Amino acid sequence: DAGVIQSPRHEVTEMGQEVTLRCKPISGHDYLFWYRQTMMRGLELLIYFNNNVPIDDSGMPEDRFSAKMPNASFSTLKIQPSEPRDSAVYFCASSLAPGASVSTDTQYFGPGTRLTVL
Amino acid sequence: RKEVEQDPGPFNVPEGATVAFNCTYSNSASQSFFWYRQDCRKEPKLLMSVYSSGNEDGRFTAQLNRASQYISLLIRDSKLSDSATYLCVVNEESGGYQKVTFGTGTKLQVIP
Repeated sequence: DAGVIQSPRHEVTEMGQEVTLRCKPISGHDYLFWYRQTMMRGLELLIYFNNNVPIDDSGMPEDRFSAKMPNASFSTLKIQPSEPRDSAVYFCASSLAPGASVSTDTQYFGPGTRLTVL
Repeated sequence: RKEVEQDPGPFNVPEGATVAFNCTYSNSASQSFFWYRQDCRKEPKLLMSVYSSGNEDGRFTAQLNRASQYISLLIRDSKLSDSATYLCVVNEESGGYQKVTFGTGTKLQVIP
C-alpha cells in the first residue's frame, strides 16, 4: 500500500486566499483524522471522520475551516479566507477502527502539508 | 492541567546511555496508549503500543501505570539514530466518540 497520501506537500499563499489540502487514506481504513502541528501548540486534532461521516469537529479552530470526505478514498481540508496564524504543518492520518483493539488504534500519518500564509 | 503532559526536553544524552521519558494523562477512562516517534520535518510514526503489563521491543520498553496515570518509555543503549521527538498518545472512547490526544513531545538528542 502507498500509505496515506497528501497534497500539496508545500503551499505558500497570501492572506485572504482560499487553501485546499487533500488527503487519500490507506485503503480499507474507516477512520480519517486531520491534525495541525505548530511549535507553540504541538499536534492538535482538528476533525475526524468515520466511514466518511464527520464525528468530532470540536478541534476545528473557527468557521474559516471546513473539512469534507465525499468518499472513502478522499478528504479535503479547506481554509477560507486564510490568515498568517494558519501557518503550520497539516497532517492527515487514517486508522482501521480506534477503540476496537490496540492494534486497530494505530494511526498512519501522511507526510503532511507545510502551509505558509504570508 | 493539560490532558496529556510530557517534559519537552531536550534530553541530551551520550551514545550508549539509558534514557527514560514519562507522560502523564488526566482522564482515568483513557483506554489505549502509544508512543510515536517524529523525526525533524517528518510525520509521526508509531513506535510502540503500551500494554498494561508493560512491553519490550529490543532496546525499547514501554510501561503503563493506571493507578498513577502515566506511561513511560525507556531506551537502552541509545544510538545516534534515536535522536527524535517522542510523542505519547492517549486514546479514549466515550459514547461512540473517539478522542485521541497527543502530548507535545519530548525531544531526544543522542550525542556522539
